[in-house]
Amino acid sequence: QKEVEQNSGPLSVPEGAIASLNCTYSDRGSQSFFWYRQYSGKSPELIMSIYSNGDKEDGRFTAQLNKASQYVSLLIRDSQPSDSATYLCAVFTGGGNKLTFGTGTQLKVEL
Amino acid sequence: GAVVSQHPSWVICKSGTSVKIECRSLDFQATTMFWYRQFPKQSLMLMATSNEGSKATYEQGVEKDKFLINHASLTLSTLTVTSAHPEDSSFYICSARRAGGAGELFFGEGSRLTVL
Repeated sequence: QKEVEQNSGPLSVPEGAIASLNCTYSDRGSQSFFWYRQYSGKSPELIMSIYSNGDKEDGRFTAQLNKASQYVSLLIRDSQPSDSATYLCAVFTGGGNKLTFGTGTQLKVEL
Repeated sequence: GAVVSQHPSWVICKSGTSVKIECRSLDFQATTMFWYRQFPKQSLMLMATSNEGSKATYEQGVEKDKFLINHASLTLSTLTVTSAHPEDSSFYICSARRAGGAGELFFGEGSRLTVL
């Protein structure tokens, strides 16, 4: 079982819709979770961090964490073509010393 | 805030030469820096963890004698790819964890290495 799993996509949504990106992790002791956005040929950019169960909102982005189900998600409201990118879920594993990335979900927002 | 600068952005070298990549945290002190490698259409793979003033911790399968990491100060870490070969061609990305921060990593712009 991979430490951090994501559906590779591509996930296609129309402009203005809500994009839902999902991630599961295997280390039940993980406490810190992050979503990064990566455009092709560029390095990752931090979008959201979440540490507690529940929802955390920042602008059009909402991160959701459920530690019991070992599940973290990212919702993007009013999706724009500029949101088209690969979204990487990252989890601190190994006692919090190692940030492990999922393989990423490619999002395409279509006009 | 939380800017990480990486240099060079692009480098092309001949097989057998060594290449040094620098990673600097510009507006914060980084107790820990991480070096990742990313091949096309793949996720980031952690190569090593670097703590200021101590030896780097390498991930399994990463040759420490080939990928030399130095973290001489709280704002600078370097990765040297020694005797580079075409299979070392990749996108190398550094990241830094801010001292006293919440644990999130901030990434440099990445360095694309092409070995001919």
